[in-house]
Amino acid sequence: QSALTQPPSASGSPGQSVTISCTGTSSDVGGYKYVSWYQQHPGKAPKLIIYEVSKRPSGVPERFSGSKSGNTASLTVSGLQAEDEADYYCRSYAGSSTWVFGGGTKLTVL
Amino acid sequence: EVQLVESGGGLVQPGGSLRLSCAASGFPFSTYWMHWVRQAPGRGLVWVSRISRDGSSTSYADSVKGRFTISRDNAKNTLYLQMNSLRADDTAVFYCAREDGSQDFDLWGRGTLVTVSS
Repeated sequence: QSALTQPPSASGSPGQSVTISCTGTSSDVGGYKYVSWYQQHPGKAPKLIIYEVSKRPSGVPERFSGSKSGNTASLTVSGLQAEDEADYYCRSYAGSSTWVFGGGTKLTVL
Repeated sequence: EVQLVESGGGLVQPGGSLRLSCAASGFPFSTYWMHWVRQAPGRGLVWVSRISRDGSSTSYADSVKGRFTISRDNAKNTLYLQMNSLRADDTAVFYCAREDGSQDFDLWGRGTLVTVSS
């Protein structure tokens, strides 16, 4: 149950695009479609923004998109806005009714 | 209003016990699998435990197996986490979360802080 690997930080200017990676193994990210992404603002509860690799829940802007290749999932935020500044976590099913999160990425909007 | 509200956190000495509660409202609690997730101060999210709709199936992270017990009372719309043999590294905000049909956590509570310290 090792944490998925995410870069500690990412940044971009308003209007730009930024991509955050999430690397696991064939036992988690690479083995299942159940990869999701959560946004967490300081002092707040996490919010689901991407599920099943690339699907967006109702109400989540189209600027957020997800993908996966092999053991690495990615979250892309296009057209960066100030309110996108937050921590982002990936999460994957890891088999045997267990789940694993990434270490988190702090996104800074310059 | 659809919401989850955690309670029961506080300061406990190493080796002590604590029971967390998560009160659900605004949705049919008994039809959802539920989870506990924790977050140490300044650190990332860590999955802790999951329970089936009727409470008959549970699973745990290795770090808490044998020390924590998840349970639920569907008549009271409440999820629980019994934590025993607490250690300093259990200090965290504990969140309860609802699992939707895609195994995602689509609803979270605001969390309750557990501090393990002498």
